[in-house]
Amino acid sequence: KNQVEQSPQSLIILEGKNCTLQCNYTVSPFSNLRWYKQDTGRGPVSLTIMTFSENTKSNGRYTATLDADTKQSSLHITASQLSDSASYICVVSPLSGGGNKLTFGTGTQLKVEL
Amino acid sequence: NAGVTQTPKFQVLKTGQSMTLQCAQDMNHNSMYWYRQDPGMGLRLIYYSASEGTTDKGEVPNGYNVSRLNKREFSLRLESAAPSQTSVYFCASRTKGLSSGGSPYEQYFGPGTRLTVT
Repeated sequence: KNQVEQSPQSLIILEGKNCTLQCNYTVSPFSNLRWYKQDTGRGPVSLTIMTFSENTKSNGRYTATLDADTKQSSLHITASQLSDSASYICVVSPLSGGGNKLTFGTGTQLKVEL
Repeated sequence: NAGVTQTPKFQVLKTGQSMTLQCAQDMNHNSMYWYRQDPGMGLRLIYYSASEGTTDKGEVPNGYNVSRLNKREFSLRLESAAPSQTSVYFCASRTKGLSSGGSPYEQYFGPGTRLTVT
């Protein structure tokens, strides 16, 4: 079964610090990998998308990397802010399925404190 | 431009009751989706509609029915609610097909409906 596993489950950091979230997946072959941010009580919002041929993609203070050979991705957050407190979800789109059947990780719950 | 809207925001049902969750999008998207999100699990696809007039089962369709009313609206019905259907339900939509970069267009999510079945 296609899986997406994320680590750590939860993380607490001080405002201004950097952090890196990890995603390992078994979905193969895959079309693209996305990172979503989900604030408490809200729906997920897309941060980055990478196709299998891309290694890195940035969106402001968020930088995602992808190693398709090892089936690993990471999301690096620079100079964290209180508003970064949220769940970060790794999502893989298999090559089959036409973008309709995504595999979601369980998310990393990030809390940024003063 | 409201994006994806869902009603109601919260609902409490008794076992055996029925209800319909409503979803609408104003982005002229072809494809629409219903997911459920449970603690400790990733979002799971219940049903989707790749285009107006079509619906298909996702990973966890049992106990649910859907209707693609028109291009804007996609509803999810629970005919006889069970405690196992206690969850947060999200509707999503996207443009069908691939972007210029070759990837499927991203899905846009609604704010969710928190359903409790007692």
